[in-house]
Amino acid sequence: DIQMTQSPSSVSASVGGRVTITCRASQGVRSYLAWYQQKPGKAPKLLIYAASSLQSGVPSRFSGSGSGTDFTLTINTLQPEDFATYYCLQTNSFPRTFGQGTKVEIK
Amino acid sequence: QVQLVESGGGVVRPGTSLRLSCAASRFTFSNYDMHWVRQAPGEGLEWVAFVSYGGSHTYYADSVKGRFTVSRDTSKNTIYLHMNSLRPEDTALYYCAREESGMYDAIDIWGQGTMIAVSS
Repeated sequence: DIQMTQSPSSVSASVGGRVTITCRASQGVRSYLAWYQQKPGKAPKLLIYAASSLQSGVPSRFSGSGSGTDFTLTINTLQPEDFATYYCLQTNSFPRTFGQGTKVEIK
Repeated sequence: QVQLVESGGGVVRPGTSLRLSCAASRFTFSNYDMHWVRQAPGEGLEWVAFVSYGGSHTYYADSVKGRFTVSRDTSKNTIYLHMNSLRPEDTALYYCAREESGMYDAIDIWGQGTMIAVSS
């Protein structure tokens, strides 16, 4: 099984700031990597697919990069609505595996 | 818009069985692979099961293999999760979700979830 190690587990940032979240796969997953945002009491929302493709309707301050085993989600110019928990998901093989999540909190 | 609606959750005793349903609407259900994903209270997301668009291929997390069965009924635009021998650690919010093959198999649509609590 592919393990997804996501870091940090939590990060504090200010409105207007930048946050970078990383996900490392225990084996290569090519570009089969998605990023999700989840707010309390809500279902996850797809932000990025294919490691770097922005889902329709998602603001351009969100960006993804990487391939193989190392991936990054960057949020530029943080907005109040961006404070949430973020997860990566590898879709290269079964079983699918999520990262442990990163909670982005207000500084 | 595209919608997934789960049902069937509740409070059950350990060792019992339960069936979850997920009704799909406003998309061509028979063209899409589908998943179940769960989230224990205060915890992260855990992938549970997959069923292919035709229903012939299924995959499971090791934690549920042999106890859970995923199936689909195209005539009803519905997928199911049959859960046997439920354990307290199965307590979670269970999401039904759609896979989009054109997005490198990302899960693009999620239901609102149905809660299962396994407790004696």
